[in-house]
Amino acid sequence: NAGVTQTPKFQVLKTGQSMTLQCAQDMNHEYMSWYRQDPGMGLRLIHYSVGAGITDQGEVPNGYNVSRSTTEDFPLRLLSAAPSQTSVYFCASRRGIRQPTEAFFGQGTRLTVV
Amino acid sequence: GENVEQHPSTLSVQEGDSAVIKCTYSDSASNYFPWYKQELGKGPQLIIDIRSNVGEKKDQRIAVTLNKTAKHFSLHITETQPEDSAVYFCAATSGSARQLTFGSGTQLTVLP
Repeated sequence: NAGVTQTPKFQVLKTGQSMTLQCAQDMNHEYMSWYRQDPGMGLRLIHYSVGAGITDQGEVPNGYNVSRSTTEDFPLRLLSAAPSQTSVYFCASRRGIRQPTEAFFGQGTRLTVV
Repeated sequence: GENVEQHPSTLSVQEGDSAVIKCTYSDSASNYFPWYKQELGKGPQLIIDIRSNVGEKKDQRIAVTLNKTAKHFSLHITETQPEDSAVYFCAATSGSARQLTFGSGTQLTVLP
C-alpha cells in the first residue's frame, strides 16, 4: 500500500516553462487536494477535487490548473512558471467529504523557478 | 473563509518538559480540528484530531483540547523527547467540501 505518491521530488524550471506535478493515491479516496508550503505561511490550498470529474479552486489557484479524470490521479499543471511559484508542493487525499477524516500527504515536490 | 492562527512560531523545551501550542479559528461552522507533525523533508502526518462534539482527547503523551465558545484549540505534549522535534501544524475544516485550512506552523525543538 503506497498511499500518496508524488513525482518528481525535485524540479528546476525556467521562468515561462510549463510542467505537470503528478499525484496518485491507491486508497480509493474521494477527496484529493494540492497545497503549497512557503516559510512562515503554513500550507495553502491551491485546488481540490471531491471526486472524478469534479475540481474546485482553493485559496491560491492562480497560475495552476488541475483535472481529475480518475479516482486515483490528480495532476497539477503550472501553465507558465514564475519565480513566485518557487515552493514545496504537497498532494493529499482523504476518504470522505461530508465527515472529515485523516488526510494523507505525499512526500512533496520541491520546485524552484529561476 | 476560515482563518487559523497558530502560536508560537518557535518553541524550545528541555527534554522531559511539556510543550503547548495554541490555535484559534474564525469559522464557527468548523467541526474537525486535526494536528499534523512534519519532519524534515517529509509530508505532514496526522498525530491527533478532535471533533467539535468533544472537549478533550488524549493519546499517550499527546492531548488536544477544544473550546468552541472561544474558538480555540491547543496541543499538549508531555514528557517531551528529542524525537518530538519537528514542525507542528493545526488545521480546521470549512466550506461545503470541508476543506482544511492550516495554521502557519510551530517549530518545536526538544533540547537533550
